[in-house]
Amino acid sequence: EVQLVESGGGLVQPGRSMKLSCAASGFTFNNYDMAWVCQAPKKGLEWVATISYDGSSTYYRDSVKGRFTISRDNAKSTLYLQMDSLRSEDTATYYCARHSPELYGEGVMDAWGQGASVTVSS
Amino acid sequence: DTVLTQSPALAVSPGERVTISCRASESVSTLMHWYQQKPGQQPKLLIYLASNLESGVPARFSGSGSGTDFTLTIDPVEADDTATYYCQQSWNDPWTFGGGTKLELK
Repeated sequence: EVQLVESGGGLVQPGRSMKLSCAASGFTFNNYDMAWVCQAPKKGLEWVATISYDGSSTYYRDSVKGRFTISRDNAKSTLYLQMDSLRSEDTATYYCARHSPELYGEGVMDAWGQGASVTVSS
Repeated sequence: DTVLTQSPALAVSPGERVTISCRASESVSTLMHWYQQKPGQQPKLLIYLASNLESGVPARFSGSGSGTDFTLTIDPVEADDTATYYCQQSWNDPWTFGGGTKLELK
């Protein structure tokens, strides 16, 4: 069974940092691109960042470029999101999601974690 | 960014047919996908590449469209289909989601 389990969320002050982790199991992690998607309270979904299967390529939405860093450790089957210079508007639930371009085509997210809540407030 | 516009909410009776629309501000070819999100849960992939049914998803769900106009159809609707449905495009950067359509059952 495919499982994605996020951790590391919580309350953080504006301007500070937080690192999210996503532990993957039930599939060969290093065969898949991975992504982070966020959802502000009572709002819709927003793609944040994607990393290629081997970590060689990363992509970000403009609002997080230079502040967020997506990375992965294939030996540990774990995805990360380092979030620096956090703003109140970054408050959201952050989901990790799996991509499989070869099976589904570009940009399809076929498995999702349960999410980690991040609240940016003083 | 490509804006995806969805109707905010729909209410239907069990057994009926419902069509949920998604209109893109520019062409996305057929790189449109649909997700279901139930309250308190993560999104779940239903349809990919406009019309392909994800494995394990009931055949009551179907998708169609290309270019700028897409639809998700549920026929017949069941009580368990109460959820918010999101479209998502991956043709243009950045990938974007619609605002979601909340489906309620009467």
